[in-house]
Order: sequence, then structure tokens, then C-alpha cells
Amino acid sequence: DTGVSQDPRHKITKRGQNVTFRCDPISEHNRLYWYRQTLGQGPEFLTYFQNEAQLEKSRLLSDRFSAERPKGSFSTLEIQRTEQGDSAMYLCASSLVGPKAGYTFGSGTRLTVV
Amino acid sequence: AQKITQTQPGMFVQEKEAVTLDCTYDTSDQSYGLFWYKQPSSGEMIFLIYQGSYDEQNATEGRYSLNFQKARKSANLVISASQLGDSAMYFCAMREIIQGAQKLVFGQGTRLTINP
Repeated sequence: DTGVSQDPRHKITKRGQNVTFRCDPISEHNRLYWYRQTLGQGPEFLTYFQNEAQLEKSRLLSDRFSAERPKGSFSTLEIQRTEQGDSAMYLCASSLVGPKAGYTFGSGTRLTVV
Repeated sequence: AQKITQTQPGMFVQEKEAVTLDCTYDTSDQSYGLFWYKQPSSGEMIFLIYQGSYDEQNATEGRYSLNFQKARKSANLVISASQLGDSAMYFCAMREIIQGAQKLVFGQGTRLTINP
């Protein structure tokens, strides 16, 4: 297992277009998280899955954002009608259950909305 | 809500010197976990070290150690014998647990530059 994979690494899109990102977690990890990181800031929590269930969504996740994790494996994050303010790095992480469970992050998808 | 504060936007250190990156936190929880991550220019967040609030000893991982002062609510990262490859952004984070779900709350980060 090579860790958490994210695809694509970079995405440039025109304002108003829809985009979808994919995250493949470590296979035995049942928790999966999405974070957003804007320039010069730390990552901010967006949403979280335990297996296929989406357990929490941040207020940052507007109605234009939707995330899925069918079958509790890979996850997708879709942004509809993109805006320039959506430009950011989108990071995915996975972990096991437990208080000391470490989070393994992917390399992220950098989105630029022009 | 929990909060992480990193007061050093940037640090410049000579190679082979030790460096301390500051992190203070605010929480009302009795049980919590603190993490440090390294983010090179490639973007990946690399886990460095973890400290649990009930751990009696400061965590150490190779050249990384965590100076945990619970009463002061600080969790500073110490890197010994710095190397050029240590140049990166460093983030302190705390695990927040709400209604069984857990997430990390990050500070704003410190950009560390190691000079040869």
C-alpha cells in the first residue's frame, strides 16, 4: 500500500464549471477526511466519513459541495458552479479508529478557478 | 471550540543547529491529542510526532521531540541537528472530538528555512 492517493494533482477550471476530485485512502483505514487549505493558512476541515457514512460536514461546505464514499472505499469531492474563492489545495486523509490513530494525508489536489 | 496558535510565521536557522517551533493551544477537554505535521513544497502533509494529553513523557521520534507543557498549554516542536531537507512549512494540530466524530484543527503554520 503506497499511502493515500489523490487525483488529479492539479486542476485549472473556468468559473462556473463543475469539478470532481478523487481520493483513495489506505485500504484498511475506515475513516476518511477532506480538508481545504488556502494559501498561507493551515488546512480546514470540510467533511468526514466512517466507512460509507458521512458523519460530519463543516459550515465551509456550501450547497455547491458534495462528497461521497460509496462502499466505504474511495471518496469523491465535487464542487458545482465553481467560484474563484474555491481556489485552494484540497487534501484528503485517512485513519483507523482510535484515540491515537494517526492521520495519513495525500498530496492534495490544487484547484485554480480562473 | 479548540484553537491552535503558532506565533512564528517564519524561522531561519543555520544547518546543524537545533530549532524550536512554538505551538500553544486552547481547549476545555481533559483528553486530547496534539500532532505536528511537515508540509514540503510538494503539498503532502507528513506526520512527525504525536503527544497525548495523559502521556507522562514528552514524545520523541528520531530528531523530533515535543516539549509538552500542559499547564502552559504549549506543545513546542524541537528539531535537533537541522538539515537542509527540513526546510518546509510546519503545522501544529489538535484532535477535536465532537459527538464521536473527530477532526484535526490546525494552526496557521511556521515556514522553516534551513540555511547552509
